[in-house]
Amino acid sequence: EVQLLESGGGLVQPGGSLRLSCAASGFTFNNYAMSWVRQAPGKGLEWVSGISATGGSTYYADSVRGRFTISRDNSKNTLSLQMNSLRAEDTAVYYCAKSADTLPTKTWFDPWGQGTLVTVFS
Amino acid sequence: EIVMTQTPVSLSVTPGQPASISCKSSQSLLHSDGKTYLYWYLQKPGQSPQLLVYEVSSRFSGVPDRFSGSGSGTDFTLKISRVEAEDVGIYYCMQGIHLPLTFGGGTKVEIK
Repeated sequence: EVQLLESGGGLVQPGGSLRLSCAASGFTFNNYAMSWVRQAPGKGLEWVSGISATGGSTYYADSVRGRFTISRDNSKNTLSLQMNSLRAEDTAVYYCAKSADTLPTKTWFDPWGQGTLVTVFS
Repeated sequence: EIVMTQTPVSLSVTPGQPASISCKSSQSLLHSDGKTYLYWYLQKPGQSPQLLVYEVSSRFSGVPDRFSGSGSGTDFTLKISRVEAEDVGIYYCMQGIHLPLTFGGGTKVEIK
């Protein structure tokens, strides 16, 4: 069974940092692109960042570019999101999601993890 | 950035009745490879989103055949032929042709 398990969420002050992790199992991790998608409280879905299967290409939404860094460790089947200079508007549940191909475009997300909550408060 | 616009925002449906959700994109989602990269997800209450339909009209594994997707170019529709209680939640369309990947604002489906 394909499983994605996020961790690392929590409370942080504006300007602070947090690192999210997503542990993957049940599939050949290094064959698939991965993404982070977030959902602010009571709001819709926003794609945040994606990474190719090899990790050689990374992609970001304008809202996080320069502040967030996506990475993966294919030897440990782990996806990460380093979040710096956090803002109140970054408060959201962050989901990791597996793509069905080696790049995050022209493909779907399945499955999604259960999400981890990041709260940026002052 | 491709803007995805869903209507209606919410829908209250009697069990057994049909439902329809519209999704319009600000640019064509038809790629030069002949495929159209439009997806539908359902987020049930308290759960993560789950894939229903990919490339406009292909139902994902395990998705009941009461769900059907249609459309082309910039106009798309998700139809539920006979709504059941388990279909409640928020439905999102998503385009996958260009980065950033973008979602519609969502359509909340409730049971009357």
